[in-house]
Amino acid sequence: QLQLQESGPGLVKPSETLSLTCGVSGDSIDTSKYCWGWIRQAPGRGLEWIGSQYHRGRGHYNPSLKSRVTISFDAAKNQFSLRLISVTAADTALYYCARETTSDYFDFWGPGALVTVSS
Amino acid sequence: DIVMTQSPDSLAVSLGERATINCKSSRSASGSNIGNSLAWYQQKPGQAPKLLIYWASTRQSGVPDRFSGSVSGTDFTLTISSLQAEDVAVYFCQQYNSTPWTFGQGTKVEIK
Repeated sequence: QLQLQESGPGLVKPSETLSLTCGVSGDSIDTSKYCWGWIRQAPGRGLEWIGSQYHRGRGHYNPSLKSRVTISFDAAKNQFSLRLISVTAADTALYYCARETTSDYFDFWGPGALVTVSS
Repeated sequence: DIVMTQSPDSLAVSLGERATINCKSSRSASGSNIGNSLAWYQQKPGQAPKLLIYWASTRQSGVPDRFSGSVSGTDFTLTISSLQAEDVAVYFCQQYNSTPWTFGQGTKVEIK
């Protein structure tokens, strides 16, 4: 059974960079069958897709965040990461990593990691 | 962006009774609808979201058959035919017809 687990700092200062990692077990991230993505949920708000990326290929990103987002991979550790630069309080959210099928729905999610942006 | 609007925001249903959740999609900038490019997810407190249904009506492997999905134009429905205690959760829809993928705001299902 595939499992995903987010990890990273729970507190980030405004204007700094948010970095989260998603550890994957039960499947290899080095596959063309799936891409790997990030979704977030701000307090009291709905879910917002951030972006998704194939390990060896194309990615797609939410235009509202694209200029600040990077998704990268570490195949040796079977994990992928999110980097969001120049954060503000509006980036405070529960961040989920997930596996995205080639049809573009998400078939497995991590439990989420809360990140607060505050000085 | 395509806006997904769920209704109701919450509902309370007696055990064994039917629960129905609706999700309506706006049209894309080109005027087209999302077809059947819709998924439903279940999220229990403190847990990861779980895929229930994709392509509007296809149940994910292992999902009980009391969960079903349907579509009529831009209106999508998730039905729990006989609510069980373990079905207490927040349910949300997602369109994957055109980027950015967007989600409904969620519907909380409780026991009456």
